[in-house]
Amino acid sequence: GENVEQHPSTLSVQEGDSAVIKCTYSDSASNYFPWYKQELGKRPQLIIDIRSNVGEKKDQRIAVTLNKTAKHFSLHITETQPEDSAVYFCAASAKGGADGLTFGKGTHLIIQP
Amino acid sequence: KAGVTQTPRYLIKTRGQQVTLSCSPISGHRSVSWYQQTPGQGLQFLFEYFSETQRNKGNFPGRFSGRQFSNSRSEMNVSTLELGDSALYLCASSFQTALNTEAFFGQGTRLTVV
Repeated sequence: GENVEQHPSTLSVQEGDSAVIKCTYSDSASNYFPWYKQELGKRPQLIIDIRSNVGEKKDQRIAVTLNKTAKHFSLHITETQPEDSAVYFCAASAKGGADGLTFGKGTHLIIQP
Repeated sequence: KAGVTQTPRYLIKTRGQQVTLSCSPISGHRSVSWYQQTPGQGLQFLFEYFSETQRNKGNFPGRFSGRQFSNSRSEMNVSTLELGDSALYLCASSFQTALNTEAFFGQGTRLTVV
């Protein structure tokens, strides 16, 4: 089955700096890669997703890049703000959608004031 | 529009008991997936239901089962509870069409097995 590795497990950055979280996947059939943000005590919420026919996608301060050949994808957050502090999960699915997602173990992003 | 609703929010059960968790998806969503979240293993896929049929299943023992009703509401059952079943159980619903596959999560049911 699919295996998703996520690094780092904890990331501390100064407010205003950029943060990068990286994930690798094992199943070359995976074609849908969402990123979720989970604040303490709250539900995971989708922040951005990308499909395998696209190399990069941006939404304001957030961007995701996908390298199908190397089987890795990354989340980039620019101009970080205190409200970006949360746990971020990457995921992969070979079913093109949200069912059967395999998640990474998560990255705890800490924004230092 | 109401979000995904899970009940109950908290549960404490004893080893060996069984438990049933409920998930009401967003109106119009026909796909409901269940996930187990623990500090050590992260988010792990349990199973997915679409139009009352289980379409996908994760790597969990047969003690974990589920079902979906005609109104898309779903229940998940865990029998013969073990201490290791203590976790946050999340369900997620989606339209699951080719153009619209975003999964919306509920707030989860926190199960503690003692």
